[in-house]
Amino acid sequence: AQSVAQPEDQVNVAEGNPLTVKCTYSVSGNPYLFWYVQYPNRGLQFLLKYITGDNLVKGSYGFEAEFNKSQTSFHLKKPSALVSDSALYFCAVRDSLTGGGNKLTFGTGTQLKVEL
Amino acid sequence: DVKVTQSSRYLVKRTGEKVFLECVQDMDHENMFWYRQDPGLGLRLIYFSYDVKMKEKGDIPEGYSVSREKKERFSLILESASTNQTSMYLCASSHTGGDLETQYFGPGTRLLVL
Repeated sequence: AQSVAQPEDQVNVAEGNPLTVKCTYSVSGNPYLFWYVQYPNRGLQFLLKYITGDNLVKGSYGFEAEFNKSQTSFHLKKPSALVSDSALYFCAVRDSLTGGGNKLTFGTGTQLKVEL
Repeated sequence: DVKVTQSSRYLVKRTGEKVFLECVQDMDHENMFWYRQDPGLGLRLIYFSYDVKMKEKGDIPEGYSVSREKKERFSLILESASTNQTSMYLCASSHTGGDLETQYFGPGTRLLVL
C-alpha cells in the first residue's frame, strides 16, 4: 500500500524568506514522488518529481525538493518566496511495486500563503 | 505541450439527473484518470483506465461509472446525481514509461448538484 501525508494545512511565510512545505510517504517498494501546484479554480500543474538518482531535485519556478529515504520525506523548498507562489500544493507518491496504470496517491494539500 | 481538456468548467445539475463529464487528451497517453477534489480531503481517485475499453476502480467508485471507447477520450458518468457528488472533478492523463509517469491535469469541472 502507498500513502502520503502533508502535516500542515497551511504555511505562512514572508516574501523573500525561504519556504518549506512538508511531505512524508509510505511505500512497500521504492517511491516515485511528485509535487504539484494548484492556483485558484485551475487544474494541477506539475512542479517536479523524484524517480531515482540525485536526492535533490530541481523543478519549475525555482522550487526544489529533497528526497530523504531514512526519514521517508520529500519536502518542497524554495530559497526566496514570492507572493505569486501563494497556492495549494500537493505531494503525491507511487509505489514501484504498484501494478499497471501508474496510479498516484495524493496528500490532502498544503495552502501556502506568502505575504508582503 | 500536453493538453488535457474537460468539456465544462462549471455544471449545475439536479438530483437524480444523469451527468456526463468528458475529458480529452492530445498526447496519445495510455493512462487516464478521474479524481474528485474536496477541501481537506485532497484528490481522491474515482476510476482510471490504462488502455482503451479497460477500466479499474479507484478509491471511491461508488455512484460513478466510466467509458473509454477511444484512446484520447475518457468519460465519467454519474448515473443518478446526488448532492454529495457536488465537487471539483479533475481529469488527468499519463504515458506509461517514457515520461516517467508524470500525470497531466485538465482545468477541472466544478459540479453543483441541487
